[in-house]
Amino acid sequence: QKEVEQNSGPLSVPEGAIASLNCTYSDRGSQSFFWYRQYSGKSPELIMSIYSNGDKEDGRFTAQLNKASQYVSLLIRDSQPSDSATYLCAGFSGAGSYQLTFGKGTKLSVIP
Amino acid sequence: DAGVTQSPTHLIKTRGQHVTLRCSPISGHKSVSWYQQVLGQGPQFIFQYYEKEERGRGNFPDRFSARQFPNYSSELNVNALLLGDSALYLCASSTSIRDRGIGGHRFGSGTRLTVV
Repeated sequence: QKEVEQNSGPLSVPEGAIASLNCTYSDRGSQSFFWYRQYSGKSPELIMSIYSNGDKEDGRFTAQLNKASQYVSLLIRDSQPSDSATYLCAGFSGAGSYQLTFGKGTKLSVIP
Repeated sequence: DAGVTQSPTHLIKTRGQHVTLRCSPISGHKSVSWYQQVLGQGPQFIFQYYEKEERGRGNFPDRFSARQFPNYSSELNVNALLLGDSALYLCASSTSIRDRGIGGHRFGSGTRLTVV
């Protein structure tokens, strides 16, 4: 059973701080990982993808992948109230089944 | 540039009825996947279609079926609706079934199904 685990939160950070979101996965065959942001009542929006060990930066977002530890993280620098949402981590395995396996999501609240 | 479009946006059905949900992928995307998201959970994979063929199926009963048309649009059908089928149904498109990172899976706005 492929699993992606996330702390459900809520995670509260003050405006301007760094928010750190974490995710672990069980399937070593997973090739790629994605972070989605989902506002209440809306559909998931892709914000980051990563498939190589190390860091990938895009604006205020940095995704980190450690395949040896089966660990993925998302850092949000200079957090803004508009970043308040649920963040979903998803793994993608190309071996036999081309599906995304999602965690339950971490709810982030950025306090002004 | 149009994203993934889904219809209808909201739907209320009675137990035992049938429902059809529709999805049009992003232009140029040949793969369509369906996910079910219940409140408080992450999306759960239902089906993936690529080039009109089923390429993956999640752990859902046979009441759930889908198909993809020559223009790459897709339908999700659910028969004999149960209260537990109430959820947000999401369609995602990608360029190929091996879309490991190029663009990722882009989701439509979803169909909110309520079964009463």
